[in-house]
Amino acid sequence: DAKTTQPTSMDCAEGRAANLPCNHSTISGNEYVYWYRQIHSQGPQYIIHGLKNNETNEMASLIITEDRKSSTLILPHATLRDTAVYYCIVRIRRGGSNYKLTFGKGTLLTVNP
Amino acid sequence: GAVVSQHPSWVICKSGTSVKIECRSLDFQATTMFWYRQFPKQSLMLMATSNEGSKATYEQGVEKDKFLINHASLTLSTLTVTSAHPEDSSFYICSAGPGRNQETQYFGPGTRLLVL
Repeated sequence: DAKTTQPTSMDCAEGRAANLPCNHSTISGNEYVYWYRQIHSQGPQYIIHGLKNNETNEMASLIITEDRKSSTLILPHATLRDTAVYYCIVRIRRGGSNYKLTFGKGTLLTVNP
Repeated sequence: GAVVSQHPSWVICKSGTSVKIECRSLDFQATTMFWYRQFPKQSLMLMATSNEGSKATYEQGVEKDKFLINHASLTLSTLTVTSAHPEDSSFYICSAGPGRNQETQYFGPGTRLLVL
């Protein structure tokens, strides 16, 4: 199972782009990179996921390096409400169609006014 | 779409009592749901995989007789904490995913349990 490494914490100014890095050097070819975030005392919120191409949705962009050993989540214009713990997860396949998510410690992103 | 709800959002109970937590997929069917537990300042830990119509699969170290899981329909899974003790106080969160392969998991808002 591929593991991920993320910085413990990051700060970002409101209105600026927040770039959250993640290393997953042991990722295998059929494993996806998922990003979730958890605002204090709430359930995790799905942000985005990708396999090898860069992805963008209304919340964020995901940049995956060509060798797939690392990725960056980009919040283009961070707001105070983006303050949360961000989890980078490599999805593990466990038997048939059941997929479980293994959460690491994540990155605490603090958006400052 | 892809909304998961939990009930109750918080519960306080006395030591020795049992507590049932519901997890519902509101706009999709889920043959599999996952139950997690999160202690303060820690990450989410998977407790068990709930399978519709069959027995749940528990992670190593999770007591199946203490944490009873029932997945009686495609939209509802329940977690019952039996004979709860103060050390069971935690934040319990479920997840489910739409689609046949349930590739993307969506999480419920969580249930905070406090055992006195």
